Amino acid sequence: QKEVEQNSGPLSVPEGAIASLNCTYSDRGSQSFFWYRQYSGKSPELIMFIYSNGDKEDGRFTAQLNKASQYVSLLIRDSQPSDSATYLCAVDAGGTSYGKLTFGQGTILTVHP
Amino acid sequence: DGGITQSPKYLFRKEGQNVTLSCEQNLNHDAMYWYRQDPGQGLRLIYYSQIVNDFQKGDIAEGYSVSREKKESFPLTVTSAQKNPTAFYLCASSITKYQPQHFGDGTRLSIL
Repeated sequence: QKEVEQNSGPLSVPEGAIASLNCTYSDRGSQSFFWYRQYSGKSPELIMFIYSNGDKEDGRFTAQLNKASQYVSLLIRDSQPSDSATYLCAVDAGGTSYGKLTFGQGTILTVHP
Repeated sequence: DGGITQSPKYLFRKEGQNVTLSCEQNLNHDAMYWYRQDPGQGLRLIYYSQIVNDFQKGDIAEGYSVSREKKESFPLTVTSAQKNPTAFYLCASSITKYQPQHFGDGTRLSIL
């Protein structure tokens, strides 16, 4: 059973701070990693994806991948109240399972003014 | 506008009834997916299709059926065999199975 684990939170940070969201996965052969943002009552929205070890930056968001330690993280710099949402980590095992995403249960982030 | 359209937004099912959720995309994506989300939970894969006229079971396919007769359409039927159908159903698509998935707005299904 492939597992993706996230701390459900809630994670509370002040406006302007860095929010750090973490995700671990059980399948060592996993190939692709995604972060989705989901506002309450809405569908998930893709915000980052990463395939290789290291960091990938896009605006205020940085995804970090460490395949040896089997974790992926998302950093949000200069957090804004509009970043308050649930953040879902998703992992694609690749190989014959490409496209079959396994999701974590999500981390609730609250950014307070 | 290009995108993924799910309908209806809300759906109610009576006991013993089959219901069909619609998912249409005009993005020319090859791959389409159905997920289920329960309150406070992540998404679980029900069925996926990576090419027309072919589809595969996901992790929780029991009580569901799909078809993929056209590239742009991937309807999901929730059958009476699905004993706990109340959930938020999300359809996604991607250019190919190797590309990131993007979601429609979802359908909320409840039991009457």
